Amino acid sequence: DIQMTQSPSSLSASVGDRVTITCQASHDISNYLNWYQQKPGKAPNLLIYDASNLETGVPSRFSGSGSGTDFTFTISSLQPEDIATYYCQQYDNLPRSFGQGTKLEIK
Amino acid sequence: EVQLVESGGGLVKPGGSLRLSCAASGFTFSSYSMTWVRQAPGKGLEWVSSISSTYSYIYYADSVKGRFTISRDNAKNSLYLQMNSLRAEDTAVYFCARDRAAFSAAKTFDYWGQGTLVTVSS
Repeated sequence: DIQMTQSPSSLSASVGDRVTITCQASHDISNYLNWYQQKPGKAPNLLIYDASNLETGVPSRFSGSGSGTDFTFTISSLQPEDIATYYCQQYDNLPRSFGQGTKLEIK
Repeated sequence: EVQLVESGGGLVKPGGSLRLSCAASGFTFSSYSMTWVRQAPGKGLEWVSSISSTYSYIYYADSVKGRFTISRDNAKNSLYLQMNSLRAEDTAVYFCARDRAAFSAAKTFDYWGQGTLVTVSS
């Protein structure tokens, strides 16, 4: 099984800050990686697919990069509505697996 | 507008059974793979099971294999999860989700339902 390790587990930042979350896969997964945002009590929302492609309707302050085993998710300028937990997910192999999540809070 | 609405959750005793449903609308259901993902209280997301658009493949997480059965009825635009031999560790919100690309293989989940809570407790 492919293990996905996100860091940090939690993060506190100020409005306007640049925020970066990393996700490391235990095996090479090429670019078969997605990023989701989940707000409390809500379903996850797809933000980035295939490591770096922005889903339709998602603000351009969100971006993703990486390939192989190391991936990065970035919010270029943090907004109050970005408070959520963020998950990476690999689809290179079964079972599909998610990172443990990164909880983002406003400082 | 794509909509996914789960139902069937509730309180069940250990060893019991429950059948979850997911009613889909706003897209050609028969063209998309569908997936169940669960989230235990205060925990992260866990992939549970996926089924292709035409039943050509069905996948399960090891944690549910042999106990859960995924199925779909394309005529009714519905996805199901039959859960047997339930354990306390199956307690979670269960989400159904659609694959982003038609005829894809459970890769990227672009639409999700609101979830239905399953509680396994005596």
